[in-house]
Amino acid sequence: EAGVAQSPRYKIIEKRQSVAFWCNPISGHATLYWYQQILGQGPKLLIQFQNNGVVDDSQLPKDRFSAERLKGVDSTLKIQPAKLEDSAVYLCASSLDPGSEQFFGPGTRLTVL
Amino acid sequence: GENVEQHPSTLSVQEGDSAVIKCTYSDSASNYFPWYKQELGKRPQLIIDIRSNVGEKKDQRIAVTLNKTAKHFSLHITETQPEDSAVYFCAPEAGTYKYIFGTGTRLKVLA
Repeated sequence: EAGVAQSPRYKIIEKRQSVAFWCNPISGHATLYWYQQILGQGPKLLIQFQNNGVVDDSQLPKDRFSAERLKGVDSTLKIQPAKLEDSAVYLCASSLDPGSEQFFGPGTRLTVL
Repeated sequence: GENVEQHPSTLSVQEGDSAVIKCTYSDSASNYFPWYKQELGKRPQLIIDIRSNVGEKKDQRIAVTLNKTAKHFSLHITETQPEDSAVYFCAPEAGTYKYIFGTGTRLKVLA
């Protein structure tokens, strides 16, 4: 079984630029999560999808972050414009349903200069 | 909002000794209590979980115990090995199917 795929693996941008991350969950997994993990901290949930609907986006900075999951499969997370404090690893995870084990992708390491 | 605390933040043990990490949460409605292991530069991986209708669960050298009354659950690793060195996160359920990760415990197993 293929795992959660993410791209790119690394991204370096300057502040005020835009960036997008892509996630392909495990086939058949209805629930998809985006987390932000700042160095030395635990993952922080940004947004949770159930199929193509948003379940929770209470911690998503909506003035600069947006996410979508068209057709209930792949998802993209965008930051526009980026700030220095957005430097982090962005992790995508998926689960069969909301109460099941989460499987994480390798993450995208974002550096904002 | 939900408050999740882990203790200790760092833990060093000699190889072969046991390690215990405690996670305290505030949402009395939580029903699912997982532990994740994250090695340096790698993704978090679930190592063990427990649901609220069970008090203890064991998988080889790893066990999790749950005290719902006191709102805490603990990770127990016996006969520690160097490959157990990693950061461990608890992520109790906080609201329906929403999970908040703890601050992490860095475990170092000394050979």
